[in-house]
Amino acid sequence: DADVTQTPRNRITKTGKRIMLECSQTKGHDRMYWYRQDPGLGLQLIYYSFDVKDINKGEISDGYSVSRQAQAKFSLSLESAIPNQTALYFCATGDRRNTGELFFGEGSRLTVL
Amino acid sequence: RKEVEQDPGPFNVPEGATVAFNCTYSNSASQSFFWYRQDCRKEPKLLMSVYSSGNEDGRFTAQLNRASQYISLLIRDSKLSDSATYLCVVSTGTASKLTFGTGTRLQVTL
Repeated sequence: DADVTQTPRNRITKTGKRIMLECSQTKGHDRMYWYRQDPGLGLQLIYYSFDVKDINKGEISDGYSVSRQAQAKFSLSLESAIPNQTALYFCATGDRRNTGELFFGEGSRLTVL
Repeated sequence: RKEVEQDPGPFNVPEGATVAFNCTYSNSASQSFFWYRQDCRKEPKLLMSVYSSGNEDGRFTAQLNRASQYISLLIRDSKLSDSATYLCVVSTGTASKLTFGTGTRLQVTL
């Protein structure tokens, strides 16, 4: 089993719908991140959390919210999806002792029609 | 100006060739530097850290030039399996957030 698991892996939805992407990890890391990847733009940080009670906005948090339900779980919500949120979303985890290495999930491809 | 800039490529090279990628970063306060590799439709994975004195890992050599604010990755004796996108990554600030470049695509051919 993967150390960082994202669900769903693929989702097609309509404008205005609420969507939740879930991430769970078995690495025991305290830090978790949500990124989106668009062609030509690279990975952009949406939100990050350094522990259960710590949530921080990244570069592009507008239109997104997150919840850190437990150390191992970090979910990303789109309250009202819009087409320009169509992207590949990655969850990642990291250990505070080794801040350069992130471990990514396999990605969730979201299409908003 | 983007915080981290890379030539998107693609770099098409024959097996056995040596290829080098450069990356520039804009924030002089950047503290840590890395190269990640991303295969097509897969998640990024750490390839190697980049140290001030330069470092080598097998066929891969990474170098940092703080004065000019660029990082390089050299791949010797390219293999077909090296075909991927190479992401330059910079860490800045106390929160240790990583900023990713858009990547340079490498295609190694027979």
